[in-house]
Order: sequence, then C-alpha cells, then structure tokens
Amino acid sequence: NAGVTQTPKFQVLKTGQSMTLQCAQDMNHNSMYWYRQDPGMGLRLIYYSASEGTTDKGEVPNGYNVSRLNKREFSLRLESAAPSQTSVYFCASSERRFDIYEQYFGPGTRLTVT
Amino acid sequence: SQKIEQNSEALNIQEGKTATLTCNYTNYSPAYLQWYRQDPGRGPVFLLLIRENEKEKRKERLKVTFDTTLKQSLFHITASQPADSATYLCALGSDGNTPLVFGKGTRLSVIA
Repeated sequence: NAGVTQTPKFQVLKTGQSMTLQCAQDMNHNSMYWYRQDPGMGLRLIYYSASEGTTDKGEVPNGYNVSRLNKREFSLRLESAAPSQTSVYFCASSERRFDIYEQYFGPGTRLTVT
Repeated sequence: SQKIEQNSEALNIQEGKTATLTCNYTNYSPAYLQWYRQDPGRGPVFLLLIRENEKEKRKERLKVTFDTTLKQSLFHITASQPADSATYLCALGSDGNTPLVFGKGTRLSVIA
C-alpha cells in the first residue's frame, strides 16, 4: 500500500516549457487535490476532483490544467511554465469515512522554473 | 473572504514543556477542524480532527480544543520532545465535498 505517489520528485523547467505532474493513489479514494506550497503562503489549492469525472478550480488555478484520468490518477499540467510557478506541489486524496475526512498527501514535487 | 491565522510563524520551546499553538479564523463556519504535521521535505500528515460540537479531543500527548464562539482552536503537545519539532498546520472543513482551507502553519522547535 504505497498511499499517494507523485512523479517526478524534482524538475527544472525553462520559462515557456510545458510539463505534467503525475499523481496516483491506491486507497480507492474518491476525492483528489493539487496544492502548491510557497514560503510564507501555506498550502493553496489549485484544483480538486471530488469524484472520477469531475474537476473544480481551487484558489489559484490560473496557468494550470488537470485531468482525472481514472479513480486512481489525477494529473496537473503546466502548459507554459512561468517563474511564478516555482513551488513545491503536493497531491492529496481523501475519502469520507464515518466522521473522518483526513487528507493523505504525497511526498511532493519540487519545481523550479528559470 | 475566509481567513485562517496561526499565531506565529515559529515557536521555540524547552523539552518537557507544553507547546501551545493557536489557530484563529474569520468569515467561516466550519463543521470541523483538523491539525496536520509537516516535516521538512515531506507532505503533511493528519493528526487530529475535532468537530464543531466537540470542545476537546485528545490523542496520546496531543490535545485539541475548539471554541466556535471565539473562532479559535488550540493545539497542545504535552511533555514536548525534540522529535516533535515540525511545522503544524490547521485546516478548516465543511461537510460534503468542499475542500479544506489550510492555515500557513507554525514551525515548532523543541530544544533539548
């Protein structure tokens, strides 16, 4: 049981390049999330998917697109990377079980855009 | 707009003392509040959840209180140890599929 996995762990991009961050969970959770974490800003929600086939914008969606490929996988795409997108990106998943709704986070992807 | 404030960016405490972290919020009526621990270079890990109708919850050396009148949660670590050093995040949630809203976190350092 690997939990939430993310690839790659590190990435350096040049301005204007594109890339896709991959996320997968093996806990059969319905909900999945993408966050970015910047110093002094905390965790900010980019997009989320409440269930397979649905996606919704979070607090900071501009410059990103997402795909909920199936119940397990939720990818984040940067079409034209900008230095402002330098950040640590976390994927998370959750499932409502009784009264517990905790989120399980992946190890993160450290992205630098030069 | 919703706002969550964690009392300080950093908190230093002597080993063996009780660490108390604060989470305040405005413009929000959460159904529950969660606390997470984050170690450097890792994703956050869930610690505790407390619902709006609960005043206090405990788990081993951890205690969380929730005062919906004051719009505040306190997170206590008793008999703190250097291994408790980490960043602690609070998060507010509503029932249903509404995503959590996270605070910026407090970096706790427990000094031996």
